[in-house]
Amino acid sequence: GQQVMQIPQYQHVQEGEDFTTYCNSSTTLSNIQWYKQRPGGHPVFLIQLVKSGEVKKQKRLTFQFGEAKKNSSLHITATQTTDVGTYFCAGSATSGTYKYIFGTGTRLKVLA
Amino acid sequence: DTAVSQTPKYLVTQMGNDKSIKCEQNLGHDTMYWYKQDSKKFLKIMFSYNNKELIINETVPNRFSPKSPDKAHLNLHINSLELGDSAVYFCASSPVSHSSPLHFGNGTRLTVT
Repeated sequence: GQQVMQIPQYQHVQEGEDFTTYCNSSTTLSNIQWYKQRPGGHPVFLIQLVKSGEVKKQKRLTFQFGEAKKNSSLHITATQTTDVGTYFCAGSATSGTYKYIFGTGTRLKVLA
Repeated sequence: DTAVSQTPKYLVTQMGNDKSIKCEQNLGHDTMYWYKQDSKKFLKIMFSYNNKELIINETVPNRFSPKSPDKAHLNLHINSLELGDSAVYFCASSPVSHSSPLHFGNGTRLTVT
């Protein structure tokens, strides 16, 4: 079945450093979403990417969707303590399906 | 105004018991989901309903039975609870479109002793 892996599993950074998490799917995706889960919280939607090679920015966050639509990345510039949490990608393999498979997540810790 | 609400927030019970978790959304969404998050934070889809109809049923033990009395509600009943069922269960909803964000509830932390 479809699998979505993320690396790294954990990342500790000093405040102000950059951070990147990578998402790789075993199958071609129709679209990909990114979520953030704060400690003790629930996943919160950040963004969705649909087109091959698409790049989107939200302030310090940059999201990319690979040309082959099988991988994606989230880059945070100059991390802040408020960035702490687990970042998940979630991929939908087939257009029209309601099934989003979540990646394994990357837990980010930011040291002040 | 909580968009997706789950009850209870915490559930501690003994092995062998039967328990239910309730979920309600006031967003007018047609699709609702149950996800299970284990101790390693992996989020796995369990079930999905679209307008009260079951559309996704992953490989989940048949001790787990979802019920959707209407499109705003999706409950999860678990029979004969086992230690391995301990996890956080998240309810989520989304509009009809497959390319819509999921809105998650706050989760129910189930502990089976």
